[in-house]
Amino acid sequence: SSELTQDPAVSVALGQTVRITCQGDSLRSYYATWYQQKPGQAPVLVIYGENNRPSGIPDRFSGSISGNTASLTITGAQAEDEADYYCNSRDSSTNHLVFGGGTKLTVL
Amino acid sequence: QLQLQESGPGLVTPSETLSLTCTVSGGSISSSDYYWGWVRQPPGEGLEWIGTIYYSGSTYYNPSLKSRVTISVDTSKSQFSLKLSSVTAADTAVYYCARHAADGSGSYHWFDPWGQGTLVTVSS
Repeated sequence: SSELTQDPAVSVALGQTVRITCQGDSLRSYYATWYQQKPGQAPVLVIYGENNRPSGIPDRFSGSISGNTASLTITGAQAEDEADYYCNSRDSSTNHLVFGGGTKLTVL
Repeated sequence: QLQLQESGPGLVTPSETLSLTCTVSGGSISSSDYYWGWVRQPPGEGLEWIGTIYYSGSTYYNPSLKSRVTISVDTSKSQFSLKLSSVTAADTAVYYCARHAADGSGSYHWFDPWGQGTLVTVSS
């Protein structure tokens, strides 16, 4: 399958933990990569590989995978985490790259 | 610190060819460790991978765009370019260039850093 499915919107109370998910058959073979995008800005890499964070990304961001579902977890969400989050992976049938539709995270 | 900057016309006429260039600074475009990619985002919509090029010239394209896309690299200018032919209003989007990396086995890929993006509008 060439699809990665994300919930369109998720909300979390300030300081609480939220999980953003990404489903797709290709995730049984390949890891997901996660990007954060704030309005009017370019995407920023937050998680890649099994659970790697680039320099400068807070350790409250973590990634995991189970079966065909990858998750981005924010432990202790902050107001500045309010953004769109996109997953990305390699399509297992074509070996090309696909993005999920994105999840809009609201921090209440 | 590696930086990427897109440049090109902000308005393209339908049926014509969209042409953008990405200039890489603060690092080598000829590094064997990285690829260079293009991603686009229609207004209010999600991200779509367009294609990727290696410094040697090897290219990889999104199958849905492959018939219209050409990506090339000019290592002497530290630039790589995108051409998208026969454009329609559906090609209106913010176009990003980014450094593209992958682990040794290809189990995961990532784009980092990204250029700021450039809005290209297809309209007569």
